[in-house]
Amino acid sequence: AQKITQTQPGMFVQEKEAVTLDCTYDTSDPSYGLFWYKQPSSGEMIFLIYQGSYDQQNATEGRYSLNFQKARKSANLVISASQLGDSAMYFCAMREGPRNFNKFYFGSGTKLNVKP
Amino acid sequence: DVKVTQSSRYLVKRTGEKVFLECVQDMDHENMFWYRQDPGLGLRLIYFSYDVKMKEKGDIPEGYSVSREKKERFSLILESASTNQTSMYLCASISDERNTIYFGEGSWLTVV
Repeated sequence: AQKITQTQPGMFVQEKEAVTLDCTYDTSDPSYGLFWYKQPSSGEMIFLIYQGSYDQQNATEGRYSLNFQKARKSANLVISASQLGDSAMYFCAMREGPRNFNKFYFGSGTKLNVKP
Repeated sequence: DVKVTQSSRYLVKRTGEKVFLECVQDMDHENMFWYRQDPGLGLRLIYFSYDVKMKEKGDIPEGYSVSREKKERFSLILESASTNQTSMYLCASISDERNTIYFGEGSWLTVV
């Protein structure tokens, strides 16, 4: 079974609007971490936001927030007030266990296009 | 800021050539990784290393080997490149404190 599922290969959003990128995950480990990364066309991976499985509140980092629904095993990324520079690939990722460094799983990505 | 540097951004190699992809990190991280990224498949782990001279296979190690002689440097080796190894390769290292993984800029390899 897929550990991380991103069901939206591509999305469009109007500049200044909010957009939600979907991510569901599959794990039986009670301790895990969820991450979102942005990959512009230049190729580098930029860390955006992190949510721990025991965190009580949803993570936020500036215009990024993570809508963490543990029972549904979803970790959607919300970008508020989209900007043209937000156009990129976005990857959801999960690390299983507290120190399993080889257990870092990535989704297939969502390509976001922000329209002026 | 953590910096992970991959020595080559773009390479074109012939089938059968030996290829070295170098990666250096400047934050004294113990754990380093090599991933391969292909459209629709996301990132797949090739190898990782948790200490000098220590390495473990990831999900797709076939056709690859690695070397970690110094803590800051992790090299990916394609002993005999094949066209199905044409891909983007990403090196990464992990920070215990921030509980996250830092990537290099990626190396685009084309095997012809």
